[in-house]
Amino acid sequence: NAGVTQTPKFQVLKTGQSMTLQCAQDMNHNSMYWYRQDPGMGLRLIYYSASEGTTDKGEVPNGYNVSRLNKREFSLRLESAAPSQTSVYFCASSPRGGETGELFFGEGSRLTVL
Amino acid sequence: GEDVEQSLFLSVREGDSSVINCTYTDSSSTYLYWYKQEPGAGLQLLTYIFSNMDMKQDQRLTVLLNKKDKHLSLRIADTQTGDSAIYFCADHRGSYIPTFGRGTSLIVHP
Repeated sequence: NAGVTQTPKFQVLKTGQSMTLQCAQDMNHNSMYWYRQDPGMGLRLIYYSASEGTTDKGEVPNGYNVSRLNKREFSLRLESAAPSQTSVYFCASSPRGGETGELFFGEGSRLTVL
Repeated sequence: GEDVEQSLFLSVREGDSSVINCTYTDSSSTYLYWYKQEPGAGLQLLTYIFSNMDMKQDQRLTVLLNKKDKHLSLRIADTQTGDSAIYFCADHRGSYIPTFGRGTSLIVHP
């Protein structure tokens, strides 16, 4: 069982470069999420997608864009990376939109912006 | 203030019980979850409790919910070094978006 797969696992960027973090889930879940995790800050929601075809901003969306490509895939794009975006990024999915439910997380993508 | 609050660190001796506390503010919370994050990994659901329950026990884990005080706790009996991790309390309110606490780092020493 693959669950939630994120790529790449590690990335180093220079300020101003762009990149896309990929996320795919094989559990037929409706909802998908992107979080960032910083020391002492816990998890902060960047964007989420309640269902295929919809995306909404979370707590910290500035500097990011997302695409819900299909039900399986939800990508996060940094158009012009900044050192403040150095973080660990987690993708998650949930089986039910509109109701509570467990989140399933990927293993994380560790991004360093120099 | 934060919607879900946790202390940042807890240190216990191997074999002792650990108690991780969490407070939340939304009285409409329906599900409350505990997630565990091991070093270098993503979060995994450890256990959860429905808001109409006071207690849930699952092997070494006991979850207590005090709805009046909006207080949730996770007790780990006979704590082992493998329990060293970050534990997140999360509050689901029937929306798409759970609210996470900042996480409590549990350090287990011999």
